[in-house]
Amino acid sequence: GDQVKQSPSALSLQEGTNSALRCNFSIATTTVQWFLQNPRGSLMNLFYLVPGTKENGRLKSTFNSKESYSTLHIRDAQLEDSGTYFCAAEAGSGTYQRFGTGTKLQVVP
Amino acid sequence: EAAVTQSPRSKVAVTGGKVTLSCHQTNNHDYMYWYRQDTGHGLRLIHYSYVADSTEKGDIPDGYKASRPSQENFSLILELASLSQTAVYFCASSYTETLYFGSGTRLTVL
Repeated sequence: GDQVKQSPSALSLQEGTNSALRCNFSIATTTVQWFLQNPRGSLMNLFYLVPGTKENGRLKSTFNSKESYSTLHIRDAQLEDSGTYFCAAEAGSGTYQRFGTGTKLQVVP
Repeated sequence: EAAVTQSPRSKVAVTGGKVTLSCHQTNNHDYMYWYRQDTGHGLRLIHYSYVADSTEKGDIPDGYKASRPSQENFSLILELASLSQTAVYFCASSYTETLYFGSGTRLTVL
Protein backbone atom coordinates (compact mmCIF):
# COMPACT_ATOMS: atom_id res chain seq x y z
CA GLY A 1 0.00 0.00 0.00
CA ASP A 2 1.66 3.16 1.24
CA GLN A 3 5.06 1.56 1.58
CA VAL A 4 5.74 2.28 -2.08
CA LYS A 5 4.27 5.50 -3.41
CA GLN A 6 4.31 6.30 -7.10
CA SER A 7 3.80 9.69 -8.69
CA PRO A 8 2.13 10.92 -10.70
CA SER A 9 -0.78 8.48 -10.80
CA ALA A 10 -1.51 9.43 -14.42
CA LEU A 11 0.30 11.37 -17.10
CA SER A 12 -0.30 12.42 -20.69
CA LEU A 13 2.75 13.11 -22.83
CA GLN A 14 3.13 14.53 -26.29
CA GLU A 15 5.08 12.26 -28.61
CA GLY A 16 8.74 13.20 -28.64
CA THR A 17 8.80 14.82 -25.19
CA ASN A 18 10.52 13.70 -22.00
CA SER A 19 9.25 12.94 -18.53
CA ALA A 20 10.14 11.33 -15.21
CA LEU A 21 8.20 8.97 -13.00
CA ARG A 22 9.00 8.59 -9.35
CA CYS A 23 8.74 6.05 -6.55
CA ASN A 24 9.20 6.93 -2.89
CA PHE A 25 9.76 4.20 -0.32
CA SER A 26 8.83 4.17 3.34
CA ILE A 27 10.44 0.76 3.82
CA ALA A 28 14.18 0.11 3.84
CA THR A 29 14.75 -0.90 0.23
CA THR A 30 17.70 -2.83 -1.15
CA THR A 31 16.61 -3.34 -4.75
CA VAL A 32 14.02 -1.82 -7.08
CA GLN A 33 12.37 -3.17 -10.19
CA TRP A 34 10.43 -1.25 -12.83
CA PHE A 35 7.76 -2.85 -14.98
CA LEU A 36 5.54 -1.77 -17.83
CA GLN A 37 2.05 -3.19 -18.13
CA ASN A 38 0.94 -2.69 -21.72
CA PRO A 39 -2.68 -1.93 -22.66
CA ARG A 40 -3.30 -5.66 -23.22
CA GLY A 41 -2.31 -6.35 -19.62
CA SER A 42 1.06 -8.04 -20.06
CA LEU A 43 3.78 -7.12 -17.57
CA MET A 44 7.32 -6.64 -18.84
CA ASN A 45 10.35 -6.02 -16.68
CA LEU A 46 12.29 -2.90 -17.58
CA PHE A 47 15.00 -2.57 -14.94
CA TYR A 48 16.37 -4.34 -11.90
CA LEU A 49 18.38 -1.89 -9.77
CA VAL A 50 20.69 -1.91 -6.81
CA PRO A 51 21.64 1.66 -5.78
CA GLY A 52 22.82 3.41 -8.91
CA THR A 53 21.69 4.09 -12.45
CA LYS A 54 20.88 1.96 -15.48
CA GLU A 55 20.04 2.99 -19.01
CA ASN A 56 18.38 1.12 -21.85
CA GLY A 57 17.63 3.00 -25.04
CA ARG A 58 15.29 5.88 -24.27
CA LEU A 59 14.78 4.76 -20.67
CA LYS A 60 17.01 5.55 -17.72
CA SER A 61 16.39 4.63 -14.10
CA THR A 62 18.07 5.67 -10.88
CA PHE A 63 17.75 4.20 -7.41
CA ASN A 64 18.90 6.30 -4.46
CA SER A 65 18.73 4.08 -1.36
CA LYS A 66 19.88 6.76 1.07
CA GLU A 67 17.03 9.08 0.13
CA SER A 68 14.60 6.20 -0.49
CA TYR A 69 13.44 6.92 -4.00
CA SER A 70 13.75 5.74 -7.57
CA THR A 71 13.05 7.51 -10.83
CA LEU A 72 12.33 6.35 -14.35
CA HIS A 73 13.14 8.83 -17.09
CA ILE A 74 11.54 8.49 -20.51
CA ARG A 75 13.22 10.37 -23.32
CA ASP A 76 11.59 11.09 -26.69
CA ALA A 77 8.33 9.39 -25.73
CA GLN A 78 6.74 7.16 -28.37
CA LEU A 79 3.17 5.90 -28.73
CA GLU A 80 4.27 2.38 -27.79
CA ASP A 81 5.48 3.68 -24.40
CA SER A 82 1.84 3.99 -23.34
CA GLY A 83 0.76 1.76 -20.49
CA THR A 84 1.04 1.59 -16.73
CA TYR A 85 4.46 1.73 -15.10
CA PHE A 86 5.00 -0.03 -11.79
CA CYS A 87 7.91 0.04 -9.42
CA ALA A 88 8.50 -2.71 -6.88
CA ALA A 89 10.72 -2.51 -3.81
CA GLU A 90 12.51 -5.38 -2.12
CA ALA A 91 13.58 -4.94 1.48
CA GLY A 92 16.41 -7.46 1.42
CA SER A 93 17.41 -11.01 0.71
CA GLY A 94 14.68 -13.48 1.57
CA THR A 95 11.91 -10.92 1.36
CA TYR A 96 9.59 -10.18 -1.51
CA GLN A 97 8.81 -7.21 -3.68
CA ARG A 98 6.09 -4.72 -2.81
CA PHE A 99 4.50 -2.84 -5.67
CA GLY A 100 3.42 0.73 -6.02
CA THR A 101 -0.02 1.54 -7.41
CA GLY A 102 1.37 2.54 -10.80
CA THR A 103 1.61 5.51 -13.14
CA LYS A 104 -0.71 5.35 -16.11
CA LEU A 105 1.05 6.95 -19.07
CA GLN A 106 -0.63 7.95 -22.29
CA VAL A 107 1.52 9.18 -25.15
CA VAL A 108 -0.42 11.21 -27.68
CA PRO A 109 0.55 12.30 -31.22
CA GLU B 1 13.61 -15.36 -21.58
CA ALA B 2 11.66 -16.98 -18.74
CA ALA B 3 8.45 -18.68 -19.75
CA VAL B 4 5.59 -18.54 -17.29
CA THR B 5 2.28 -19.98 -18.43
CA GLN B 6 -1.00 -19.47 -16.61
CA SER B 7 -4.24 -21.32 -17.08
CA PRO B 8 -7.02 -20.62 -17.59
CA ARG B 9 -6.80 -17.19 -19.25
CA SER B 10 -10.17 -16.31 -17.83
CA LYS B 11 -12.76 -17.95 -15.64
CA VAL B 12 -16.22 -17.27 -14.33
CA ALA B 13 -16.99 -18.91 -11.00
CA VAL B 14 -19.99 -18.99 -8.70
CA THR B 15 -19.90 -17.74 -5.14
CA GLY B 16 -18.99 -20.56 -2.79
CA GLY B 17 -17.45 -22.68 -5.50
CA LYS B 18 -13.89 -23.94 -5.66
CA VAL B 19 -11.45 -22.37 -8.09
CA THR B 20 -7.95 -23.51 -8.98
CA LEU B 21 -5.58 -21.31 -10.96
CA SER B 22 -2.50 -22.97 -12.39
CA CYS B 23 0.96 -21.70 -13.20
CA HIS B 24 3.82 -23.48 -14.95
CA GLN B 25 7.36 -22.19 -15.49
CA THR B 26 10.08 -23.76 -17.60
CA ASN B 27 13.22 -21.94 -16.47
CA ASN B 28 14.22 -23.73 -13.27
CA HIS B 29 13.41 -20.71 -11.11
CA ASP B 30 13.32 -21.33 -7.39
CA TYR B 31 10.82 -18.62 -6.50
CA MET B 32 7.21 -18.48 -7.66
CA TYR B 33 4.55 -15.96 -6.69
CA TRP B 34 0.84 -15.28 -6.95
CA TYR B 35 -0.33 -11.66 -7.15
CA ARG B 36 -3.74 -10.16 -7.59
CA GLN B 37 -4.36 -6.90 -9.37
CA ASP B 38 -7.29 -4.64 -8.63
CA THR B 39 -7.83 -1.19 -10.03
CA GLY B 40 -6.10 1.36 -7.81
CA HIS B 41 -4.13 -1.21 -5.80
CA GLY B 42 -1.36 -2.22 -8.11
CA LEU B 43 -0.23 -5.81 -7.51
CA ARG B 44 -0.52 -7.40 -4.10
CA LEU B 45 1.20 -10.62 -3.10
CA ILE B 46 -1.02 -13.49 -2.01
CA HIS B 47 1.37 -16.43 -1.60
CA TYR B 48 4.85 -17.32 -2.71
CA SER B 49 7.18 -20.30 -2.64
CA TYR B 50 10.94 -20.66 -2.74
CA VAL B 51 11.09 -24.45 -2.93
CA ALA B 52 8.85 -27.33 -3.95
CA ASP B 53 6.42 -28.58 -1.30
CA SER B 54 6.63 -25.34 0.64
CA THR B 55 4.56 -22.16 0.45
CA GLU B 56 4.64 -18.86 2.32
CA LYS B 57 2.03 -16.22 3.01
CA GLY B 58 2.26 -12.88 1.32
CA ASP B 59 0.47 -9.68 2.23
CA ILE B 60 -3.11 -10.81 1.52
CA PRO B 61 -3.33 -14.62 2.01
CA ASP B 62 -6.81 -14.81 3.58
CA GLY B 63 -9.24 -16.84 1.49
CA TYR B 64 -6.47 -18.40 -0.62
CA LYS B 65 -4.35 -21.51 -0.45
CA ALA B 66 -1.31 -22.32 -2.54
CA SER B 67 0.35 -25.53 -3.63
CA ARG B 68 3.84 -26.11 -5.06
CA PRO B 69 4.01 -29.80 -5.97
CA SER B 70 7.12 -29.35 -8.10
CA GLN B 71 9.61 -26.66 -9.00
CA GLU B 72 7.73 -25.98 -12.24
CA ASN B 73 4.16 -25.79 -10.94
CA PHE B 74 2.45 -23.45 -8.51
CA SER B 75 -1.32 -23.38 -8.00
CA LEU B 76 -3.61 -20.91 -6.29
CA ILE B 77 -6.76 -22.37 -4.73
CA LEU B 78 -9.90 -20.56 -3.71
CA GLU B 79 -11.84 -23.10 -1.64
CA LEU B 80 -14.94 -20.90 -1.30
CA ALA B 81 -14.87 -18.20 -3.95
CA SER B 82 -16.36 -14.85 -2.95
CA LEU B 83 -17.40 -11.77 -4.90
CA SER B 84 -14.46 -9.84 -3.47
CA GLN B 85 -12.05 -12.23 -5.16
CA THR B 86 -12.98 -10.97 -8.60
CA ALA B 87 -9.65 -9.69 -9.95
CA VAL B 88 -6.84 -10.39 -12.37
CA TYR B 89 -4.34 -12.88 -10.99
CA PHE B 90 -0.72 -12.96 -12.04
CA CYS B 91 1.82 -15.67 -11.47
CA ALA B 92 5.52 -14.82 -11.54
CA SER B 93 8.81 -16.61 -11.12
CA SER B 94 12.32 -15.50 -10.33
CA TYR B 95 15.75 -16.89 -9.62
CA THR B 96 17.34 -14.21 -7.47
CA GLU B 97 16.48 -11.00 -9.21
CA THR B 98 14.02 -10.09 -11.92
CA LEU B 99 10.41 -11.19 -11.78
CA TYR B 100 8.97 -12.80 -14.91
CA PHE B 101 5.20 -12.68 -15.16
CA GLY B 102 2.63 -14.84 -16.82
CA SER B 103 -0.14 -13.30 -18.91
CA GLY B 104 -2.66 -13.27 -16.10
CA THR B 105 -5.98 -14.96 -15.33
CA ARG B 106 -9.10 -12.82 -15.22
CA LEU B 107 -11.38 -14.29 -12.56
CA THR B 108 -14.98 -13.17 -12.23
CA VAL B 109 -16.98 -14.47 -9.27
CA LEU B 110 -20.75 -14.13 -9.62
